[in-house]
Amino acid sequence: RKEVEQDPGPFNVPEGATVAFNCTYSNSASQSFFWYRQDCRKEPKLLMSVYSSGNEDGRFTAQLNRASQYISLLIRDSKLSDSATYLCVVNMGAGNMLTFGGGTRLMVKP
Amino acid sequence: GAVVSQHPSWVICKSGTSVKIECRSLDFQATTMFWYRQFPKQSLMLMATSNEGSKATYEQGVEKDKFLINHASLTLSTLTVTSAHPEDSSFYICSARDGRSGEGYTFGSGTRLTVV
Repeated sequence: RKEVEQDPGPFNVPEGATVAFNCTYSNSASQSFFWYRQDCRKEPKLLMSVYSSGNEDGRFTAQLNRASQYISLLIRDSKLSDSATYLCVVNMGAGNMLTFGGGTRLMVKP
Repeated sequence: GAVVSQHPSWVICKSGTSVKIECRSLDFQATTMFWYRQFPKQSLMLMATSNEGSKATYEQGVEKDKFLINHASLTLSTLTVTSAHPEDSSFYICSARDGRSGEGYTFGSGTRLTVV
């Protein structure tokens, strides 16, 4: 079983749609959680951190369920520019290194 | 915000040669940097953790004699791919965390290595 699992997609959605991505992690001792965005042939960029209380940044909402070891990302009112791969990332605490999920590819179409 | 500068952005080299990739933290000190490798359509895989002033810690399956890491200062880590072969062709990315500004990790812009 992978340490961080994501549905690879692709998710093909029209502009304006709401789309949700899910992620599960295997290590219950994991400490920090993030969503990163990676455009094709570019480095990952932090989209948002994920907290147990849930957090929102504009059209993006992230949720963490520690009991189920599950993380989600909701994107409302999708824009063409949201097309990218979204990486679920977990800091499992050992040496502060990050463990990446395989990524979920989103394609927003006109 | 924190900036990590990585170069070169891309490099093409012949089999058997060595390639050095540099990663610099521009406005913060990074006692630890991380080196990742990403093959096409795959996610980032941690290769090694670079520690300033001490030996790097390599992940299982990563040859330390092939991927030489030097972290001689608080702002610079280098990865040298020695005797590169076509199967080493990949996207190499470094990362560091600026402890002053929350938990996010900043990535370098990556180096696309092609070995011919």
